[in-house]
Amino acid sequence: AQSVTQPDIHITVSEGASLELRCNYSYGATPYLFWYVQSPGQGLQLLLKYFSGDTLVQGIKGFEAEFKRSQSSFNLRKPSVHWSDAAEYFCAVGGPANDYKLSFGAGTTVTVRA
Amino acid sequence: SQTIHQWPATLVQPVGSPLSLECTVEGTSNPNLYWYRQAAGRGLQLLFYSVGIGQISSEVPQNLSASRPQDRQFILSSKKLLLSDSGFYLCAWRGGSIEQFFGPGTRLTVL
Repeated sequence: AQSVTQPDIHITVSEGASLELRCNYSYGATPYLFWYVQSPGQGLQLLLKYFSGDTLVQGIKGFEAEFKRSQSSFNLRKPSVHWSDAAEYFCAVGGPANDYKLSFGAGTTVTVRA
Repeated sequence: SQTIHQWPATLVQPVGSPLSLECTVEGTSNPNLYWYRQAAGRGLQLLFYSVGIGQISSEVPQNLSASRPQDRQFILSSKKLLLSDSGFYLCAWRGGSIEQFFGPGTRLTVL
């Protein structure tokens, strides 16, 4: 079975400060990992993805994530947050072993204070 | 470029009434299509997915059903809505790449 845990329900960060969102996954084969962002009342936008190669992946909006197989983690980072980064962030796992069906974490809500 | 549409954007329905939500994709052919539900404060739950016309796989036993009458059209239905069917419904598609692309969603409130 595949699953994702996002341990932090809510994170508050000051504008200009760094941000790290945690994601732990369970998957029986080589995982395909994703981070999505959702603004209130909107659909999900893909930030970045990982399925092979360099374990540090770059995404849109200045985000990056690092895949650590030994820790079953795929944490999302941004060096300096902007007020527009306030949103809900979802980590997801899937892959060809399960028809690319995705399992999502419960999400982390990020609040940015001025 | 590819786009995905969902309608309606918002829907308020009484308990026991029928439901039909529609999702269409443009700019691609033979996509995999997915229906998710997002309850308040929770992640996304996969409800149905389809790899082709008339091919539907159900992930969670429930009051809902799905159909794919055309290659780029995916419909979510119910004969009688329950209060627990309230939520944010998202349609997604996947083409030849590994990621899924999401539509804008439909907010359903069952009263």
